[in-house]
Amino acid sequence: GENVEQHPSTLSVQEGDSAVIKCTYSDSASNYFPWYKQELGKGPQLIIDIRSNVGEKKDQRIAVTLNKTAKHFSLHITETQPEDSAVYFCAALQNQAGTALIFGKGTTLSVSS
Amino acid sequence: EAQVTQNPRYLITVTGKKLTVTCSQNMNHEYMSWYRQDPGLGLRQIYYSMNVEVTDKGDVPEGYKVSRKEKRNFPLILESPSPNQTSLYFCASSFHPVLKSTDTQYFGPGTRLTVL
Repeated sequence: GENVEQHPSTLSVQEGDSAVIKCTYSDSASNYFPWYKQELGKGPQLIIDIRSNVGEKKDQRIAVTLNKTAKHFSLHITETQPEDSAVYFCAALQNQAGTALIFGKGTTLSVSS
Repeated sequence: EAQVTQNPRYLITVTGKKLTVTCSQNMNHEYMSWYRQDPGLGLRQIYYSMNVEVTDKGDVPEGYKVSRKEKRNFPLILESPSPNQTSLYFCASSFHPVLKSTDTQYFGPGTRLTVL
């Protein structure tokens, strides 16, 4: 089955700096890679996703890149703000089964002003 | 408002006392799922359902039961809770019966369960 590794587990940056979170996956058949943001006391919320036929996707200050050959994908947040502080999860869709998203263990991002 | 709701949000109980956590979605979604979130382990799937009366085990189903008698509801049942089931639980739903790359999975706000 699919396995998703996420690094780092914690990340502290200064406001205005960039933050990068990296994930690797094991199943080359996986074709969908969402990123979720979880704020304190809330459920995960989708912030951006990428499909296997695309190498990069941007949405304002957030971007995701995918390297299918190396089986890794990354979340890039530019010009970080204190409200970006949260736990971020990457995930991969098990293409063959289609019954579950396999999640990384999460990255706690702290943005200090 | 499109949403997934869970009740209760917080629950403290004792070992062996049966409990049910309810989950309801108002988006007419086919797929529903339960996850548990533990520190350092991320989100792990407990059970999922592709439609009414269709359920199956996820990665960590031991000690849990589910039912899907109506499309909108997917309760999680702990027949005899134990302390190792102390966790944060999330219900999620998605439009198609099987997750697709065109789908977004929507999560509920979570239920924090403590089993003493």
